[in-house]
Amino acid sequence: AQTVTQSQPEMSVQEAETVTLSCTYDTSENNYYLFWYKQPPSRQMILVIRQEAYKQQNATENRFSVNFQKAAKSFSLKISDSQLGDTAMYFCAFGSHGFQKLVFGTGTRLLVSP
Amino acid sequence: GAGVSQSPSNKVTEKGKDVELRCDPISGHTALYWYRQSLGQGLEFLIYFQGNSAPDKSGLPSDRFSAERTGGSVSTLTIQRTQQEDSAVYLCASSLSTSGGTQETQYFGPGTRLLVL
Repeated sequence: AQTVTQSQPEMSVQEAETVTLSCTYDTSENNYYLFWYKQPPSRQMILVIRQEAYKQQNATENRFSVNFQKAAKSFSLKISDSQLGDTAMYFCAFGSHGFQKLVFGTGTRLLVSP
Repeated sequence: GAGVSQSPSNKVTEKGKDVELRCDPISGHTALYWYRQSLGQGLEFLIYFQGNSAPDKSGLPSDRFSAERTGGSVSTLTIQRTQQEDSAVYLCASSLSTSGGTQETQYFGPGTRLLVL
């Protein structure tokens, strides 16, 4: 069974700075997908970024980018130029190819302060 | 079109009562998923539908939990004889399909917060 580990329960960063959230996972599969979701106080889970395991190039989405290290089974999220609206819980998730469910980590609470 | 919607937004019930939670997926999405998020926890998979069929019910925590989907659209999660440990946020997600690629990306609704007194 797959597992996802987020070892940072809470992180703080000042506005305009850069922060990196860590995620590691365990799987014996070769073809899979990884996701970062953001959950603000409104509870809505919002997709931040997605990475296909077969792609060597790291995914980027505006201020958000990932460092995907397949051999190390690591998938960190970098947020550049942090904004107050980035304050939220961030969840790392794993999905097998043809997956029917996502396996989530326990989340990292990010606080962006002025 | 509109995103995934869930109702009610909040539900308070007494222990032993039955509750029904509703999910309206994004139009055209064939796959639908239910997850549970307990306080301070990540998301726990409950059940998944492809069309009206539920190939994977492995996450349902007990036989008090059931779900159905009709017309390949709306889904209802029913919890019978609710217990205090059922208190959680119940999240629904949908995806275009499960055939691979970006079609598998799951989009979530705002959730239903259930409190069992």
